[in-house]
Amino acid sequence: EDQVTQSPEALRLQEGESSSLNCSYTVSGLRGLFWYRQDPGKGPEFLFTLYSAGEEKEKERLKATLTKKESFLHITAPKPEDSATYLCAVWPGGSNYKLTFGKGTLLTVNP
Amino acid sequence: IAGITQAPTSQILAAGRRMTLRCTQDMRHNAMYWYRQDLGLGLRLIHYSNTAGTTGKGEVPDGYSVSRANTDDFPLTLASAVPSQTSVYFCASSPGQGSRTGELFFGEGSRLTVL
Repeated sequence: EDQVTQSPEALRLQEGESSSLNCSYTVSGLRGLFWYRQDPGKGPEFLFTLYSAGEEKEKERLKATLTKKESFLHITAPKPEDSATYLCAVWPGGSNYKLTFGKGTLLTVNP
Repeated sequence: IAGITQAPTSQILAAGRRMTLRCTQDMRHNAMYWYRQDLGLGLRLIHYSNTAGTTGKGEVPDGYSVSRANTDDFPLTLASAVPSQTSVYFCASSPGQGSRTGELFFGEGSRLTVL
């Protein structure tokens, strides 16, 4: 059974204080790992796709990296508007398009 | 472009009643999904459809049914609602092809309370 564990459950940062969120996974034959952002009362919004160990993707203050066992979402000099829940999901591939999501990390950035 | 439209946005329902949550997409995506999100449990897949005319069971399918008569619509039905089905329900779609398989587009959610 595919498993995704995110840590920490919650993270509080001061504006400008860089940090990283972790997503560790157990899946047979990872075909893709995905990061999403979810604001309160909204549906998740797609951020990144990572396909292979060593791959990196960047978007503004966010950078996602992937190893064979985990992914990190690095947040550089965060701003209050980066406050959200960040979700990680994995896809084992094949003809089945089901994703397995982690429980998320609630990030709060204080001004 | 609307993307994913869910209805209703919120509903209070008596236990034992039948309820259908509606979901429509205008992106011509192949795959569609229904997730429920509960505090402490995260997003859990209820049912999915890889393409029109096909459906499959997710992680928590009991008490729910779906149909996919065409590409755009993917309704979720609770035949006889129970309080444990109180949750926020999200519909999503994805191109379901190659590199964009995991790029899900989510609706705004339907908050359901079963009393």
